Amino acid sequence: GAVVSQHPSWVICKSGTSVKIECRSLDFQATTMFWYRQFPKQSLMLMATSNEGSKATYEQGVEKDKFLINHASLTLSTLTVTSAHPEDSSFYICSALGGFDYEQYFGPGTRLTVT
Amino acid sequence: GENVEQHPSTLSVQEGDSAVIKCTYSDSASNYFPWYKQELGKGPQLIIDIRSNVGEKKDQRIAVTLNKTAKHFSLHITETQPEDSAVYFCAAVLSFGAGTTVTVRA
Repeated sequence: GAVVSQHPSWVICKSGTSVKIECRSLDFQATTMFWYRQFPKQSLMLMATSNEGSKATYEQGVEKDKFLINHASLTLSTLTVTSAHPEDSSFYICSALGGFDYEQYFGPGTRLTVT
Repeated sequence: GENVEQHPSTLSVQEGDSAVIKCTYSDSASNYFPWYKQELGKGPQLIIDIRSNVGEKKDQRIAVTLNKTAKHFSLHITETQPEDSAVYFCAAVLSFGAGTTVTVRA
């Protein structure tokens, strides 16, 4: 149990376009989901906390207009990278808080490459 | 926010030997300390965790110890195997340590 999926697993897009990444909790409900980004050989940096039915809380330095987060249901949160640039290329990982032991479960990640 | 420091950044051990990774944290209110293993190209996977009311927890070859007074916790892997090679992250609250790249030499 407590499985989190992400879609797509990898995506390549051109500069200036937008990309949507989905994060789903498959067998549990998650009122809270988190979005992280990870650059090569670096640690995970929390971008924002997504709460179902309310606005996301962004960490300092993260542009809320560039990284749009929507948590419309208890099993789905989406991250949209708007007007993507090459420096947005990264590994984006979501996690969901829940399960029988109310722990944080991570998705497999989405590798975004902006050309 | 929470500040988590993790050492060492890289660790190379001979197969069968033990590996120890240590993390320190700053917020004394933190009460949940997970460890994650991340393989190349994949998301992190929870391998063991400990709560502040427990000093030590063990799961087969993996153990975690917690010293709340000193605000540090450690991951211990015994009888290491090649499949233990990965990057390991500690965390406190929502902050992650910088990671430790563990290489197990056959």
